Amino acid sequence: NAGVTQTPKFQVLKTGQSMTLQCAQDMNHEYMSWYRQDPGMGLRLIHYSVGAGITDQGEVPNGYNVSRSTTEDFPLRLLSAAPSQTSVYFCASSPGTSEFKETQYFGPGTRLLVL
Amino acid sequence: EDQVTQSPEALRLQEGESSSLNCSYTVSGLRGLFWYRQDPGKGPEFLFTLYSAGEEKEKERLKATLTKKESFLHITAPKPEDSATYLCAVQAGSYNTDKLIFGTGTRLQVFP
Repeated sequence: NAGVTQTPKFQVLKTGQSMTLQCAQDMNHEYMSWYRQDPGMGLRLIHYSVGAGITDQGEVPNGYNVSRSTTEDFPLRLLSAAPSQTSVYFCASSPGTSEFKETQYFGPGTRLLVL
Repeated sequence: EDQVTQSPEALRLQEGESSSLNCSYTVSGLRGLFWYRQDPGKGPEFLFTLYSAGEEKEKERLKATLTKKESFLHITAPKPEDSATYLCAVQAGSYNTDKLIFGTGTRLQVFP
């Protein structure tokens, strides 16, 4: 199993540009989520999904969109990039929805710089 | 307001020098407390889950404990390869509204 994979590893954007961060998992996990990690702050939840076709907002959803058309993929879209979105983005997945946040498996992260 | 605080922010240890990391929390309806390890440039790696006060879990040189207000990650006779940032997170709320709140982490450096 490859686990949770994320692409790209690093991206530079100009203000106003849009892009999609890709996340895929091959463990047949129901629950997937996106976090951002900023210096001096804990990981913050952006959006999450409890299964294909179902998504919901986390703590900091503004400026981001998600969709979940398959169990495996959970892309994160930046609609119009802003410097405040400069961060490291992590995708995570876990097996079930009853204790779904237990044993989250994290991807390697995407480092995004918005100029 | 739900909050998770980790201390110290950074810790430097000599190889073999045991110590503890602290994670204190104020949340309503704690459902679980998690410890993760994060190496530079990588995603967090799951270590432990604790559910109730008095619970303890061990893995190699690491031992996690939980009280009603805080959790400790004890590191016994650490080695340089234990150097990493250790993150604490709590799962709080009811089944339909629960959330995961992360602390800012403790950066551990172990010197030979």
